[in-house]
Amino acid sequence: EAGVAQSPRYKIIEKRQSVAFWCNPISGHATLYWYQQILGQGPKLLIQFQNNGVVDDSQLPKDRFSAERLKGVDSTLKIQPAKLEDSAVYLCASRALTNEQFFGPGTRLTVL
Amino acid sequence: QQQVKQSPQSLIVQKGGISIINCAYENTAFDYFPWYQQFPGKGPALLIAIRPDVSEKKEGRFTISFNKSAKQFSLHIMDSQPGDSATYFCAVKHFGNEKLTFGTGTRLTIIP
Repeated sequence: EAGVAQSPRYKIIEKRQSVAFWCNPISGHATLYWYQQILGQGPKLLIQFQNNGVVDDSQLPKDRFSAERLKGVDSTLKIQPAKLEDSAVYLCASRALTNEQFFGPGTRLTVL
Repeated sequence: QQQVKQSPQSLIVQKGGISIINCAYENTAFDYFPWYQQFPGKGPALLIAIRPDVSEKKEGRFTISFNKSAKQFSLHIMDSQPGDSATYFCAVKHFGNEKLTFGTGTRLTIIP
């Protein structure tokens, strides 16, 4: 079974630029999550999708972050404009019917 | 609002020894308590999990001890091996939804 795929793996941008991350969850997993993991901290949930609908985006900074999952499969997370404090690893995870969340390798974002 | 407090921040254990990592949570609205293991450059992976209706769960060298009245749970790694060197995160799942809140992580190093 293929795992959660994410791209790119690394991204370096200047502040105020925009960036987008892509996630392909495990086939058949209806629930998809985006997390932000700042160095030395645990993952923090940004947004949760159930199929193509948003379940929880309470911790998503909506003035600069957006996410979509148009066909209930792949998802993209966008930051526009980026700030220095957005430097982090962005993790995508998916879940089927059990409680276990399966994480992708993440995208490491550096904002200069 | 920090709902999960994890300790220690880092831990060094000799090969063959017992590694113990602790977590404390702040309310009772949680119904699933997983531990995730993360290697550098990888996403977290589920190691072991427990529900609040049991006090202990063992899987191989890994054991979760759960104390509902004290709102604490811990991970014990018996016969620790160099391959166990990783960062470990406890998490709590909110009752009624699929949201996980993670602890701050423990960097475990097993020395020969």
